[in-house]
Amino acid sequence: SQKIEQNSEALNIQEGKTATLTCNYTNYSPAYLQWYRQDPGRGPVFLLLIRENEKEKRKERLKVTFDTTLKQSLFHITASQPADSATYLCALVGGYQKVTFGIGTKLQVIP
Amino acid sequence: DVKVTQSSRYLVKRTGEKVFLECVQDMDHENMFWYRQDPGLGLRLIYFSYDVKMKEKGDIPEGYSVSREKKERFSLILESASTNQTSMYLCASVGWTESPSYEQYFGPGTRLTVT
Repeated sequence: SQKIEQNSEALNIQEGKTATLTCNYTNYSPAYLQWYRQDPGRGPVFLLLIRENEKEKRKERLKVTFDTTLKQSLFHITASQPADSATYLCALVGGYQKVTFGIGTKLQVIP
Repeated sequence: DVKVTQSSRYLVKRTGEKVFLECVQDMDHENMFWYRQDPGLGLRLIYFSYDVKMKEKGDIPEGYSVSREKKERFSLILESASTNQTSMYLCASVGWTESPSYEQYFGPGTRLTVT
């Protein structure tokens, strides 16, 4: 069955550094991969989508890479700020826009 | 802005009660989804609907049913609530033709406690 793995433990990083989060998947060949941000007690909020034929996507301080050979996506936040502290979810898009989510990585940016 | 609203933020029900969770979206989206989210298990898909009166089972449909009589409204029903259905329930929607990013728009969630 499909499986998405994210670092389930919290990632602590110093303010101003680059945070890198990892998403690995198995038994799946997604055409699209998404990243969402979730704050405590709230629903996830979409950040970025990357297609299978794209190696890299950027949006402001965010960068996502997608390696379909390794079955891996990396999510980078450069110049991290305390306001970036949240849980970040990786998601794979299938038919009917059905999305399968990873359990997320909790990022804590320390001032 | 797309808005997805859910009928309650917090709900406390007794075991055996029938529970209705409602979700409404205002962007004329075709697809709607119900998830539950539990610590260590992440978001799991219960049911989804790609059109009025259409529904498809997700990964964990047991103990739940859904109703979609109107395009903007998608209801989740717990026929006989049990304590293992205590969870955060999240509704989401996405449009067919808009949004090449296939962005899911989520509601604020309903934290359901079954005692």
